[in-house]
Amino acid sequence: DQQVKQNSPSLSVQEGRISILNCDYTNSMFDYFLWYKKYPAEGPTFLISISSIKDKNEDGRFTVFLNKSAKHLSLHIVPSQPGDSAVYFCAAIYTRGNEKLTFGTGTRLTIIP
Amino acid sequence: KAGVTQTPRYLIKTRGQQVTLSCSPISGHRSVSWYQQTPGQGLQFLFEYFSETQRNKGNFPGRFSGRQFSNSRSEMNVSTLELGDSALYLCASSRATSGSYNEQFFGPGTRLTVL
Repeated sequence: DQQVKQNSPSLSVQEGRISILNCDYTNSMFDYFLWYKKYPAEGPTFLISISSIKDKNEDGRFTVFLNKSAKHLSLHIVPSQPGDSAVYFCAAIYTRGNEKLTFGTGTRLTIIP
Repeated sequence: KAGVTQTPRYLIKTRGQQVTLSCSPISGHRSVSWYQQTPGQGLQFLFEYFSETQRNKGNFPGRFSGRQFSNSRSEMNVSTLELGDSALYLCASSRATSGSYNEQFFGPGTRLTVL
């Protein structure tokens, strides 16, 4: 049972344009959401997070939006840069539970120069 | 400050063998979690250790086991290897203080290939 889903395995975006990565979840107990970025031969690195009490969190070029009623979150990258080419994982956690991160299957983002 | 280190980085084994992977967390971090990454499956949680005790466990068979030492270093073992165990095994450490979510820092992973 995949509780966190990233339905787009890959995405290609022109440099300078907006990249939008999507993530859906099914467990309404999740109260904290994260995005990780992963380059080949490296471990995932934390990018940005959002608590369920918010609907938006911004950090520089990265913004995460949360729509609790739709159980959907998205990561916006503006403007997209070649260094953003990586695999992006969405993750969710119920912080008052066992604090186990549940990851999506990842989206490979390719920025076209 | 040194990051999470994992050894070995690459490993090739044959079916039926067993393997032990090692993870050294960031200094001061007491929690170590293990994940399996395979194409199309994302990162699947294996287990978490805190203060030498397994605190959480994912849905993996008993062939997958782990332990944590008093210095917080952790090992995971896979016995009777199967072809499907070929994956990238990631270790993550966190401070695991109470009251809020504790960010997990990942190591580079061990790439296991089972032939």
